[in-house]
Amino acid sequence: ETGVTQSPTHLIKTRGQQVTLRCSSQSGHNTVSWYQQALGQGPQFIFQYYREEENGRGNFPPRFSGLQFPNYSSELNVNALELDDSALYLCASRGMNTEAFFGQGTRLTVV
Amino acid sequence: RKEVEQDPGPFNVPEGATVAFNCTYSNSASQSFFWYRQDCRKEPKLLMSVYSSGNEDGRFTAQLNRASQYISLLIRDSKLSDSATYLCVVRNNAGNMLTFGGGTRLMVKP
Repeated sequence: ETGVTQSPTHLIKTRGQQVTLRCSSQSGHNTVSWYQQALGQGPQFIFQYYREEENGRGNFPPRFSGLQFPNYSSELNVNALELDDSALYLCASRGMNTEAFFGQGTRLTVV
Repeated sequence: RKEVEQDPGPFNVPEGATVAFNCTYSNSASQSFFWYRQDCRKEPKLLMSVYSSGNEDGRFTAQLNRASQYISLLIRDSKLSDSATYLCVVRNNAGNMLTFGGGTRLMVKP
């Protein structure tokens, strides 16, 4: 497979709670980006990290935040969960002059 | 208007048919273009990059028309295993964001 791993694979949270999703990038890839995919829609760009700095952000509120660690793994944090946050969250990694490879995703359900 | 637009389908075709998908994008400064394939409840996987000169990979042919901001994918001799959602994807000129279309669903029937 792609070498990009995400955890957990499934998660159920209650409205108002906070969640942390994790991603390990493919070996040699220093860029990680996160996407939200609602049912029946294409993935929407949340943000990207390059060498531990955020270097691009989509149209998502500040309660969506992230981190990238020195080993290039990454976390996505979502605070004050809303029902509409229920989606598949995808992490993608890429290196210099390579295309983006996606992890299998974390399916988040907010009840 | 969405930045990347695709016909959602579904396209229902018999095995062996030729099927074409189209996509338009709104940002003329976009840098790179791709087709991804996504199976049900799985992650998107890169099918092929798209170049202005057109490119072919086996039964799959992709074309890019920068003047019309139009991308196409042609699948020849469809197989049952081609059933999936095909996502048209554009990377911005900063190289830090992929914008996806909503996807076109293909169902190949015996």
